[in-house]
Amino acid sequence: QLQLQESGPGLVKPSETLSLTCTVSGGSISRSGHYWGWIRQSPGKGLEWIGSIYYSGSTYYNPSLKSRVTISVDTSKNQFSLKLSSVTAADTTVYYCARHEQYQLLTHFDYWGQGILVTVSS
Amino acid sequence: SSELTQDPAISVALGQTVKITCQGDSLSSYYASWYQQKPGQAPILVKYGKNSRPSGIPDRFSGSSSGNTASLTITGAQAEDEADYYCNSRDSSGMNVVFGGGTKLTVL
Repeated sequence: QLQLQESGPGLVKPSETLSLTCTVSGGSISRSGHYWGWIRQSPGKGLEWIGSIYYSGSTYYNPSLKSRVTISVDTSKNQFSLKLSSVTAADTTVYYCARHEQYQLLTHFDYWGQGILVTVSS
Repeated sequence: SSELTQDPAISVALGQTVKITCQGDSLSSYYASWYQQKPGQAPILVKYGKNSRPSGIPDRFSGSSSGNTASLTITGAQAEDEADYYCNSRDSSGMNVVFGGGTKLTVL
């Protein structure tokens, strides 16, 4: 059974860079055909896609966050990571990592991590 | 703002059928997927593609689509189906991923 687990600091100062890692177990991150994504959710609010990465390293990002987001993958560690720069209080949310299936007319996230709350505060 | 629109809240009597809808221009070109989220938990995929369910999802969950509207139908709603439901698809350009604003389902 594929499992994903987010890790990283739960508190980040304003203007700094948020860094999170997602560790994948129960399967290989480099299996062809899968993207790996980050999604966030403000308390009491809806889901927002941040971006996704293919095992080869190709990425695509939410246009509203693109200027601040970098997603990378380390297949040797079976991990992928998120960096979000110049954070503000508006970036205080729960961050989820998930396996992202995207092909032909479909896009969906079928395995999710439990989520990690990141608070931006001085 | 989301390119996918959902009703904020809907209720259903126990054992009855409820349809949760998602509207967006991109849905005439791309399939919607649906997620169930209970308080304090990560979302769970319940339907994707034309009408596929991940293993372990009860068959009372089904999907359909017409024009720019996708629907998730729960036939015989159970108390444990009370949750927030989100739709997800690509945007009109096909280049990005979008979520609907979510529908809070109450089972009476």
